[in-house]
Amino acid sequence: DAGVTQSPTHLIKTRGQQVTLRCSPKSGHDTVSWYQQALGQGPQFIFQYYEEEERQRGNFPDRFSGHQFPNYSSELNVNALLLGDSALYLCASRLAQDRVHGYTFGSGTRLTVV
Amino acid sequence: QKEVEQNSGPLSVPEGAIASLNCTYSDRGSQSFFWYRQYSGKSPELIMFIYSNGDKEDGRFTAQLNKASQYVSLLIRDSQPSDSATYLCAVNRGMTTDSWGKLQFGAGTQVVVTP
Repeated sequence: DAGVTQSPTHLIKTRGQQVTLRCSPKSGHDTVSWYQQALGQGPQFIFQYYEEEERQRGNFPDRFSGHQFPNYSSELNVNALLLGDSALYLCASRLAQDRVHGYTFGSGTRLTVV
Repeated sequence: QKEVEQNSGPLSVPEGAIASLNCTYSDRGSQSFFWYRQYSGKSPELIMFIYSNGDKEDGRFTAQLNKASQYVSLLIRDSQPSDSATYLCAVNRGMTTDSWGKLQFGAGTQVVVTP
């Protein structure tokens, strides 16, 4: 049973560029959330997708956008990259009706903006 | 004031001893509480969750919740070197499908178990 898979694992981009990160949720999960984790900090909530719609959003600018596909996979897009966007980006999935278990996290994408 | 606060540590614990980690939160509407373990360079791994006031035990881990004091803690008994990691406290406010899942994380407490 595959867990949450993210791609790519590492990425280096230049300021001003755009990046797309991808996530496949754990089998059986239908809800995907994205988090940004800066070095030495806890993960910060970016947004959550359920039924192909953005359901909740954290305090991130519009440069951060996302999408969820019918197979529940998701993409995170970041435009006009800033040096401060360098972080570990985590995708987490769960089953919407599951009130017992928390999110399962993927191994993350390490984004470096130079 | 941060929404979720934890002591950053490092918390140094002798092997076999009890590690005690604390977490306070500011949102009284928080409904569910989670402890994640994160090894260096890895993603968070859920180790405990608790919804009701009181204690919840799972193996060597015990989570304690006091909603009146807005306080949640994690005890690790018989600490092992493999427990050396950063422990993240996370809280969630909502319980509906749409609102459940916006986890607010603390910055984490680094635990170092010394042989």
